[in-house]
Amino acid sequence: QVQLVGSGGGVVQPGRSLRLSCAASGFTFSSYAMHWVRQAPGKGLEWVAVISYDGRDTEYAESVKGRFTISRDNSKNTLYMQMNSLRDDDTAEFYCARDREQLVLGDAFDVWGQGTTVIVSS
Amino acid sequence: DIQMTQSPSSVSASVGDRVTITCRASQDISSWLVWYQQKPEKAPKSLIYAASNLESGVPSRFSGSASGTDFTLTISSLQPEDFATYYCQQYKSYPYTFGQGTKLEIK
Repeated sequence: QVQLVGSGGGVVQPGRSLRLSCAASGFTFSSYAMHWVRQAPGKGLEWVAVISYDGRDTEYAESVKGRFTISRDNSKNTLYMQMNSLRDDDTAEFYCARDREQLVLGDAFDVWGQGTTVIVSS
Repeated sequence: DIQMTQSPSSVSASVGDRVTITCRASQDISSWLVWYQQKPEKAPKSLIYAASNLESGVPSRFSGSASGTDFTLTISSLQPEDFATYYCQQYKSYPYTFGQGTKLEIK
C-alpha cells in the first residue's frame, strides 16, 4: 500500500545539523512533488518546503530559507531534508507528505508519513 | 503570504450534533483549500480537497463548502471517532499556510 516512512530525527545541539529521510513505497515516487511539514509541541501545522517530482524546483518557508535544503533521490524512492544551523524553535515533529496529483508542483497533500521528532536543545 | 483565520479555536459538542468550522482566507484562493483531521500523536489525514471534494474513504457526514474567501467544514452528525483537531490549509500559492486549528471536544 501507499506509505511514507520518516526517519532521522533526534536530539541535537543548537547550531548543529541533522538530515531527515522519508522512504516512499507503493506508488511511483518520481511522479509526485513532495513536502515537509512540521508541528512544534502543542502547536499547529507549519509548511516547510516542497520539491518538484523531478527535483528541479523547490520552495521554502521564510523561517527555514538558507538553513534547510530539501532534496530527493528518485532511484531510491527517498525524500530528504538537510537541516543546518538548527535553533531551539526548530524543535518539532516533521512530517513528509505527498501531492495529490502527479506531475504538478502545488497541490493538497493526500498521503502523510508518520512523523519524525527533532529536538534542538543544549 | 496568505493568512488563514480559522474559527472557533475549540468547540464542545455531543455525539449526533451538527458542527461547523469556518476558515477565512486573507485573499482570493479560489477553491484551493483542504481540510485535515488530526488525532493526538498521529499524522494529519485529508478529509476534503478543492474546498468541497470528499477524499476517498471519508464518511459522507463530512462536507465542505465555499463562499468567496470563506470556507466551511460541516460534520452532519458527530461520531465518537470525530473528536480531533481540524485544520484548513490553502494551496493557492507558496508558502502554503494553515489555519490555527479547531479542537473538537466531547461535551
